[in-house]
Order: sequence, then structure tokens, then C-alpha cells
Amino acid sequence: GAVVSQHPSWVICKSGTSVKIECRSLDFQATTMFWYRQFPKQSLMLMATSNEGSKATYEQGVEKDKFLINHASLTLSTLTVTSAHPEDSSFYICSARGARVGYTFGSGTRLTVV
Amino acid sequence: GDSVTQMEGPVTLSEEAFLTINCTYTATGYPSLFWYVQYPGEGLQLLLKATKADDKGSNKGFEATYRKETTSFHLEKGSVQVSDSAVYFCALIFSGAGSYQLTFGKGTKLSVIP
Repeated sequence: GAVVSQHPSWVICKSGTSVKIECRSLDFQATTMFWYRQFPKQSLMLMATSNEGSKATYEQGVEKDKFLINHASLTLSTLTVTSAHPEDSSFYICSARGARVGYTFGSGTRLTVV
Repeated sequence: GDSVTQMEGPVTLSEEAFLTINCTYTATGYPSLFWYVQYPGEGLQLLLKATKADDKGSNKGFEATYRKETTSFHLEKGSVQVSDSAVYFCALIFSGAGSYQLTFGKGTKLSVIP
């Protein structure tokens, strides 16, 4: 079945530094990738949608300069949290969609900014 | 716009109890409907889906029937186990408009006690 690998699974960083999270589709080409942020009490918020080779489309209220998304190939998308602050601490989840593959989610990344 | 409303949790049940998690939706047209499950510390996994009215999705003892007349997709299981403890998300995709964005409910946390 379709597999999406997300790394790292957890990361702790100092305030002011940047963190990169990778999302890879292992056995299919992901024409579209999605990045979600999960808040306390489990609600999921779609941050952005990215198509390979084009700029990501950000949801209203998401700072594109803070959350940099790159979808350079059909199997890799990255989310970089720039100048991270404690309020950016959260669980981030990616999802990939291919031509004959439904939505497949990564295992998530727990980001803690100290 | 499209939206999903699911019952608020948390839900706590004893092992072998009957489970129902209500989910209703609003959408223009005929969406595809999904239930996703998130185990502690993990990403989301597709549990079951239904793509048209009266379809019944089933997996691992869970069932949900696409009810167009009541715009509902309630999740049920006849006898829950401790291993079913997780957060359950109802979601939809509106098919036919070229949109590939999943719309999630807020999630329902289920705890099953021995």
C-alpha cells in the first residue's frame, strides 16, 4: 500500500532557530501534498497545499514566511518552521495524494520549541 | 462551505461496549465520506470510507453508512476493545469540483477501559 514517511518524528529546538520537516511518498508519486497542524484537543488545521513544482497555497491566517513549504519533486515536500518560537510547538502532519492513491498520512512530527 | 460536525468527546467505554460516534456533514453536491483513526503519538490512518449514498464502509469491526437523507455518516462498532482507544476523525471530500482538500471534523477521543 501507499506509504508516506515523515521525519523527524520529534524535534526539540531553541527559540529563534529553524526546523525542517520532511515528508516523502515512498512508493507513489505525490502530485499534491498537504501540511496540517494539530492543536490541543486534537483539532486539525490545514496549513497549506502544495503541488509539485509550484508554490504552495496557504490557508488564511498561516504565515507563508514563517512556514516555508517546498515541493521540489513528486516524492518529497518539506516544511521549514523559521525562527521558531514556543507558540509554534505543535504536532505537524503531512499528507500526500497521488493519481491512483487516496490520501495517505505521515506519522507526524512533534515540535517542541524551548 | 463544506463542513463536518462530529460528537464531542471524550468518550469513555468499558471493553465490549457498543460504540457510536455521530458525524453529520454539510456539502453542496455529493461528497465522499471517511473515518480516520489516530492512535496516540501517531499520524492518521484511513479506517473506512464510502463514496455514494447508502454505501457502507467497514473495517476492523467498525462500520459507517452514508445516509444522504440525514447527511450523516455515524461510526459504529458492536464490541470495542482497549486497543480501539484513539482519536477518530470524520472527514469529507467534495467530489466533482476538482477540489482535493479533506475537510475534517474536530475529532472524538475514545478511551476503552478493561
